[in-house]
Amino acid sequence: EIVLTQSPGTLSLSPGERATLSCRASQSVSSSYLSWYQQKPGQAPRLLIYGASTRATGIPDRFSGSGSGTDFTLTISRLEPEDFAVYYCQHYDSSSMYTFGQGTKLEIK
Amino acid sequence: EVLLVESGGGLIQRGGSLRLSCAASEFIVSRNYMSWVRQAPGKGLEWVSIIYSGGSTFYADSVKGRFTISRDNSKNTLYLQMNSLRAEDTAIYYCARVLPYNENFDFWGQGTLVTVSS
Repeated sequence: EIVLTQSPGTLSLSPGERATLSCRASQSVSSSYLSWYQQKPGQAPRLLIYGASTRATGIPDRFSGSGSGTDFTLTISRLEPEDFAVYYCQHYDSSSMYTFGQGTKLEIK
Repeated sequence: EVLLVESGGGLIQRGGSLRLSCAASEFIVSRNYMSWVRQAPGKGLEWVSIIYSGGSTFYADSVKGRFTISRDNSKNTLYLQMNSLRAEDTAIYYCARVLPYNENFDFWGQGTLVTVSS
């Protein structure tokens, strides 16, 4: 079973700063099946990145994804006030099916 | 605009049953992979079940044998029949469309809250 571990648990930054969120898999995974989501309080998650690095429709270019193997990163180049939320990574494989990381809370410093 | 609207949540006693519905607009449920994902209060996301366009179904171990995913093509609606409910099933239940190429959840409903009282 693949386990996704996100770090840090909470990230405190100011608007305009750069955010780097990590997602580490317990074993090497296919980057094709690695996605990132944003969830704001009281809302459903929203797809940000799929295939490890492809932005979903309508996602601003300040969001970028990278990584391969066991280490993946979501980067927000310049934080806007609306970016403060919880972020989840997610992976699929045929044995574990769909797995989510535990989430990283991005809060305003 | 793609829209998913869940309904059917509520307060139910432990051991009881509940059926959730997810009505879809602007796409055909039966031609897509459709899934249920839940989120316990204050917790992260947990995948629950999926039904493929071909009709195959899969479940998380935590709900296998108790939950059944299905769809009604005439109503363009996805369902989740939940039996033998436990306190740990308390969560917001989201339906979501799954893109088969990258196996991600591209559209989500607003969720429906299920509370299992013990």
